[in-house]
Amino acid sequence: DGGITQSPKYLFRKEGQNVTLSCEQNLNHDAMYWYRQDPGQGLRLIYYSQIVNDFQKGDIAEGYSVSREKKESFPLTVTSAQKNPTAFYLCASSILDRGPNQPQHFGDGTRLSIL
Amino acid sequence: GQQLNQSPQSMFIQEGEDVSMNCTSSSIFNTWLWYKQEPGEGPVLLIALYKAGELTSNGRLTAQFGITRKDSFLNISASIPSDVGIYFCAGRMNTGFQKLVFGTGTRLLVSP
Repeated sequence: DGGITQSPKYLFRKEGQNVTLSCEQNLNHDAMYWYRQDPGQGLRLIYYSQIVNDFQKGDIAEGYSVSREKKESFPLTVTSAQKNPTAFYLCASSILDRGPNQPQHFGDGTRLSIL
Repeated sequence: GQQLNQSPQSMFIQEGEDVSMNCTSSSIFNTWLWYKQEPGEGPVLLIALYKAGELTSNGRLTAQFGITRKDSFLNISASIPSDVGIYFCAGRMNTGFQKLVFGTGTRLLVSP
């Protein structure tokens, strides 16, 4: 089945540790996105990428880093500089070549907690 | 970053009732999307709207793109227990890229 796969489902981070969240899609989508979700809030954009080897900061990029070495993959690293990393992280993707209005489709998320 | 005003925050209804929720923005949008999220899962797209005044249905769900392009609503008719979840609106402004702005969500609980 085509879709977006996020792993792991649950992740724990120790103080001062970097952790990497995986996002893989087999939909042949061009654009990929990372969002953070906190209780009672909407989704906030961390980073996005329209094409391989290119990405841009979203609204809350501080303390996070990404890479886009392959079209299918867009891993997110939560660095030790992110002081409040506990949240639900969602990856999304969308088509670009049919115009700018294609909806984003989401993975099932990774819940990150601090030990 | 900007977030949309979505209301109500939560609703607790009886099975069979109709539900209405809405989103408003101070900015004009060229796309409105409605998603549903169940616990521990990612949002699933329900309806996409692309033109002012557009009214689109998906089964018991109906959504409309407001004439002013600053609002949208979602109706659910004859609710059932599996409608439980958080419903998010999302809008895209008239820019060159598909950056979405999300509402804060409406939590729906349905009593059998």
